[in-house]
Amino acid sequence: NAGVTQTPKFRVLKTGQSMTLLCAQDMNHEYMYWYRQDPGMGLRLIHYSVGEGTTAKGEVPDGYNVSRLKKQNFLLGLESAAPSQTSVYFCASSYVEGAYEQYFGPGTRLTVT
Amino acid sequence: AQSVTQPDIHITVSEGASLELRCNYSYGATPYLFWYVQSPGQGLQLLLKYFSGDTLVQGIKGFEAEFKRSQSSFNLRKPSVHWSDAAEYFCAVGGVTGGGNKLTFGTGTQLKVEL
Repeated sequence: NAGVTQTPKFRVLKTGQSMTLLCAQDMNHEYMYWYRQDPGMGLRLIHYSVGEGTTAKGEVPDGYNVSRLKKQNFLLGLESAAPSQTSVYFCASSYVEGAYEQYFGPGTRLTVT
Repeated sequence: AQSVTQPDIHITVSEGASLELRCNYSYGATPYLFWYVQSPGQGLQLLLKYFSGDTLVQGIKGFEAEFKRSQSSFNLRKPSVHWSDAAEYFCAVGGVTGGGNKLTFGTGTQLKVEL
């Protein structure tokens, strides 16, 4: 099992450019999440999904969009990147019941200039 | 609203010394509590979790944590720290309310181990 994988690992964007981050999990998890990590602020939830075809806003959703067309994939889009979106982005997934913890991917480091 | 406070931003300990990282939470119902560790450039790895039952939980790498409801705390401990324990540690709280199994993370404690 690869667990949770993220593509790409690093990316540099210019202000106003767009991009999509891909998260994939092979654990048949129902729930998936996107976080951003900034120094001194811990992890903050951007968007999450409780199943294929569903998405919901987290704590800091502005400037981001997501899609969950397949159960195993969760995409995070930036339509018009801003320097404030420079961050490390983590994807996570979890089961619905029982094993409640979230499993994390290795992260994507995004720099917006 | 749920929240987590990790009052220590940085902690330095000598190798072989004991360690305690503090975590205080606020949650309106029975909390689910977690400790994660993050090595530089890596994702988060689960150290241990508390759902119910015994308030002293054992985790990987020799770590343990104790849930104290009266103090709203879930402190992480290790009796003898190894140099490889240097990393950032995050406490998180979640629960069955609100849907989506969402977690709220603390701001993290950076652990440095002196040889």
